[in-house]
Amino acid sequence: GAVVSQHPSRVICKSGTSVKIECRSLDFQATTMFWYRQFPKQSLMLMATSNEGSKATYEQGVEKDKFLINHASLTLSTLTVTSAHPEDSSFYICSASPHSPSAGRGTDTQYFGPGTRLTVL
Amino acid sequence: GDSVTQMEGPVTLSEEAFLTINCTYTATGYPSLFWYVQYPGEGLQLLLKATKADDKGSNKGFEATYRKETTSFHLEKGSVQVSDSAVYFCALKTGANNLFFGTGTRLTVIP
Repeated sequence: GAVVSQHPSRVICKSGTSVKIECRSLDFQATTMFWYRQFPKQSLMLMATSNEGSKATYEQGVEKDKFLINHASLTLSTLTVTSAHPEDSSFYICSASPHSPSAGRGTDTQYFGPGTRLTVL
Repeated sequence: GDSVTQMEGPVTLSEEAFLTINCTYTATGYPSLFWYVQYPGEGLQLLLKATKADDKGSNKGFEATYRKETTSFHLEKGSVQVSDSAVYFCALKTGANNLFFGTGTRLTVIP
């Protein structure tokens, strides 16, 4: 149980185009989903926290107009990189926290997706 | 601010060797501490956690003890296996529901 999927796993796009990455919790409902970015040989950096039905909270230094996050349901969050540029090339990882502690999992538990490798040419 | 400093890798060990991956943290308040593992081609998985000082988290033969006096949460395993080859991340969480990660340590276990 507690599986999180991401689609696509890899994407290559041209500079100036927009790319959408989906994050789905497959067997649980997620009140909160998180988006991280990982540079080579570096840590995961939190970009934003999204709660179902409300606006995402972005970390300092993350452009909300460039990285659009939508969390329209309890099982799906999307990250859209708008007008992508080569410096946006990175590994994007999402995670999800279960909806209810009574499901046997505390709210401090995050289940991670396998990541999406974005390359902008 | 909150941060995690983790032993740099890569680490290469022979099967059945003893493993230690060091992790120290800086945090305001009283954080929860975590070790996550990422196997090749998979997402991060929670390996173990500790929520208060002197707690010991353990799972799959791995252990880590929350040491407040040394602000450390070192990961140990007495006898590693080839299947333990992965990237290990130390992380902390304070009041908010977001995690601060270390840079990750790649472990390779050779037969």
